[in-house]
Amino acid sequence: QVQLKESGPGLVQPSQTLSLTCTVSGFSLSSYGVIWVRQPPGKGLEWMGVIWGNGNTNYNSALKSRLSISRDTSKSQVYLKMNSLQTEDTATYYCARDSRTGPDYWGQGVMVTVSS
Amino acid sequence: DIQMTQSPSFLSASVGDRVTINCKASQNINKYLNWYQQKLGEAPKRLIYNTNNLQTGIPSRFSGSGSGTDYTLTISSLQPEDFATYFCLQHNSLDTFGAGTKLELK
Repeated sequence: QVQLKESGPGLVQPSQTLSLTCTVSGFSLSSYGVIWVRQPPGKGLEWMGVIWGNGNTNYNSALKSRLSISRDTSKSQVYLKMNSLQTEDTATYYCARDSRTGPDYWGQGVMVTVSS
Repeated sequence: DIQMTQSPSFLSASVGDRVTINCKASQNINKYLNWYQQKLGEAPKRLIYNTNNLQTGIPSRFSGSGSGTDYTLTISSLQPEDFATYFCLQHNSLDTFGAGTKLELK
C-alpha cells in the first residue's frame, strides 16, 4: 500500500538549514509528484513546493529563495532543504503524494521547532 | 498565484445538522478543487476530489459541488466524528489551500 514517512531533526537553531526526508513506498517517484506542506501550531496548511514525476520542481513564491526539493528515486526518497530558518518556520512538515486528482496520500508529519 | 478564500472560519453545529462550507477561488479553477478533513494531531484526510468525487471509504453524507470560482462542501447530517477542521485545496495551478473551517459542537 501507499505510504509516506517524514524524518528529520525536531529542533533547528535560528539561521540554520532544515533538512527533511520523505521516504515513500507503494508507488514510484517517477510516476507521481510529491509535495511538501507545512502547518504552524494552531494554524492552516501552507503548500511549499512539489517535485514532479519527471524531476521538475515548483515552489511557493514566498519560500522560493530559501527552499530546495530534490529526490533519489533509487532510494524512494524526497528531500526538502530550507535555509535561513526563523522562529516562524516552526511547524509540522508533511509530505504527500500528488496525483492527477491532487494530493491523496499523506505522511504522518514531523514537528520542527526553530529555537536556540 | 491563485488565492482561496474559505468561509466560515468557525462553525458551531449539532449532531444531525446539515452544514455547508464554502471556498472561493481568485480565478476559474476548472473544478480542480479538493476537500480535506483534519483532526487534532493527525494528517489531513482527503474527502472529495475534483469538486464532487467522493474518496473511497468516505461516507455519502459528504458531498461537494461547484464550478468556476465557487465551491461548496456539504455534510448532510453531522455525526460526532465529523467535528474537525476542513480545508479546501485548488490544484488547477500548482496547489493552494483555503484557510480552514473549524467545525465545533454547539
